[in-house]
Amino acid sequence: AQRVTQPEKLLSVFKGAPVELKCNYSYSGSPELFWYVQYSRQRLQLLLRHISRESIKGFTADLNKGETSFHLKKPFAQEEDSAMYYCASMEYGNKLVFGAGTILRVKS
Amino acid sequence: NAGVTQTPKFQVLKTGQSMTLQCAQDMNHNSMYWYRQDPGMGLRLIYYSASEGTTDKGEVPNGYNVSRLNKREFSLRLESAAPSQTSVYFCASNVQGGSYGYTFGSGTRLTVV
Repeated sequence: AQRVTQPEKLLSVFKGAPVELKCNYSYSGSPELFWYVQYSRQRLQLLLRHISRESIKGFTADLNKGETSFHLKKPFAQEEDSAMYYCASMEYGNKLVFGAGTILRVKS
Repeated sequence: NAGVTQTPKFQVLKTGQSMTLQCAQDMNHNSMYWYRQDPGMGLRLIYYSASEGTTDKGEVPNGYNVSRLNKREFSLRLESAAPSQTSVYFCASNVQGGSYGYTFGSGTRLTVV
């Protein structure tokens, strides 16, 4: 089974500072990777798919197969970015495997 | 377009009681899923249904049963609730074989006392 690792439970940054949320995956093939965001007590929302290489709300994520990483980045954090962020990998059988999540706290 | 709808939003059960969590989607998705969310553990798959008429166990199926009633509805049943089942439960759906990720419901916050 695949594993997704998010090493930081909590990341606290000041408004305007750069943000990097780390994600490592275990799949040896060509993974399908996602970032989801969950604002306080709300449903999970899809933030990014690696396959689309898009930028949403200023966030980007690059797949690094050599390091098996898919870190989420934003150059300038905003207070409204405060949320729980989950990295996920699509497993065979169309099942998403999630990391434990990282709480991002943006301080003013 | 409601997306994925879950009921109830909150529930408190006594140990040993049973209940069914309901989930319905109106996006004509083939696949549906039930996850539980626990602090420090992320989301863990309980059961899933790749298509109407099929269901399979996920990572943590013990203590749960599911029914894929039709293409729209996928229910999760706790036959005899235990305190360890206190969690937030999320239903999700997606197009089978797609790379679009899942659409999630708003969750059911369940407390077993």
